[in-house]
Amino acid sequence: DAKTTQPPSMDCAEGRAANLPCNHSTISGNEYVYWYRQIHSQGPQYIIHGLKNNETNEMASLIITEDRKSSTLILPHATLRDTAVYYCIGAGSNYKLTFGKGTLLTVNP
Amino acid sequence: GAVVSQHPSWVICKSGTSVKIECRSLDFQATTMFWYRQFPKQSLMLMATSNEGSKATYEQGVEKDKFLINHASLTLSTLTVTSAHPEDSSFYICSAKSGNTEAFFGQGTRLTVV
Repeated sequence: DAKTTQPPSMDCAEGRAANLPCNHSTISGNEYVYWYRQIHSQGPQYIIHGLKNNETNEMASLIITEDRKSSTLILPHATLRDTAVYYCIGAGSNYKLTFGKGTLLTVNP
Repeated sequence: GAVVSQHPSWVICKSGTSVKIECRSLDFQATTMFWYRQFPKQSLMLMATSNEGSKATYEQGVEKDKFLINHASLTLSTLTVTSAHPEDSSFYICSAKSGNTEAFFGQGTRLTVV
C-alpha cells in the first residue's frame, strides 16, 4: 500500500472551506486514494475515494493531481462537527487500509 | 452509507477471561471484514482480514490463537480475545465491505481488562 504524508494538524474557521492536503508519491496505478475521518472515540467514517478523476459527494470533494502524487480533500463549509482526525490512505484491490497518523482538523467558531 | 454495528460498545473483564466482540453488517452482505486495534493517541492498526467462510489472515505480530476470528455468515464476524490481560486493553474496531465497494466501520468496542 502507498505511504501517505499529511500535516499533523490544521485549523479552519467555521463556515470556511477546509482544504486538507495529502502526499502519496509512491502510489501505484491501481491504488485508490481513500479519505476517512475519525471523531474522538468513534469508528472511522468513510468520506470519499478516487483513482484519477476528481470526485464530489455530499460530504466533500477530492482533487487528485494529474500525476497522482498528491490530493486535497475539500470540506466546502466546515462546521464544528467536522473537527476530527482525517486519514488519507492509498489502497489497492485487497482493500487493506493502512492508517497513518492523519491530520487533526480543528474547526474554530 | 452502509451500517456496521459492533457489540458491545464497551466491556470490562477480569484478567484471564475471554471476551467476544461482534461485528454485524446491518444492511448489506459483507464478503470481507477487517479487525483493527487502536491504543490511546495512536492510529488504527490492522489485526486481521476475514473472508466469509474461510480462515482469517492475520497481520504480522498478531497472535491468531489469542485473537480468534470467526466469519461464519455474510453479516456477522466475531473477535474473541482469549485469556485477556491488561495489555490487551484497547479500542477494537471492525470494518466490512461487499465486493468492490468501500469499507464501512463499526463504532468500536472499548475493552478494559482489570
